Amino acid sequence: SQQGEEDPQALSIQEGENATMNCSYKTSINNLQWYRQNSGRGLVHLILIRSNEREKHSGRLRVTLDTSKKSSSLLITASRAADTASYFCATDGEYGNKLVFGAGTILRVKS
Amino acid sequence: DTAVSQTPKYLVTQMGNDKSIKCEQNLGHDTMYWYKQDSKKFLKIMFSYNNKELIINETVPNRFSPKSPDKAHLNLHINSLELGDSAVYFCASSPSGLSKLFFGQGTRLTVV
Repeated sequence: SQQGEEDPQALSIQEGENATMNCSYKTSINNLQWYRQNSGRGLVHLILIRSNEREKHSGRLRVTLDTSKKSSSLLITASRAADTASYFCATDGEYGNKLVFGAGTILRVKS
Repeated sequence: DTAVSQTPKYLVTQMGNDKSIKCEQNLGHDTMYWYKQDSKKFLKIMFSYNNKELIINETVPNRFSPKSPDKAHLNLHINSLELGDSAVYFCASSPSGLSKLFFGQGTRLTVV
């Protein structure tokens, strides 16, 4: 079963706007990761946040984690057309022995 | 140099055939994975190897058999291909356990 569920399923914004994607999961975790997938390509790791962290930044990316609500959000600020991709959250699952991916959010940034 | 490379990138084959997908990583990682991504983009783990040893074997038909000749290589052999096997198969590696994964570019398998 899917551990993470992303919301929204699809998001379309104008260049320069911020994009926020949310991820909810079901069981306790050690860490949560976000990945990007450009069309026809493999996934690329963006950021990892540990269960004892609440917020993490990397360039234009900001990730928050709320373990009490079992949710995370990915914020991309000042979006660019090149940010157009699918974004997936992944958690280390119920037994902590495998990375389980959500269904992904398709982000389209219009120029 | 590509960190995780898979071959072939595209594979079109008929039902009933046997095919293999190869994966190599030059990152020195201990752990390698096979994931399957379906048409709705759901990504599901199939197998995981750590230092040539199978550590995860999800509920996958036994027509799928992974082989790891050394820790830099993890191949996937599929027997008696079925229409439902059509998907994109991704190889990935990580330095240890569940730290970040490095993915290959994927193999798009189409069974006709």
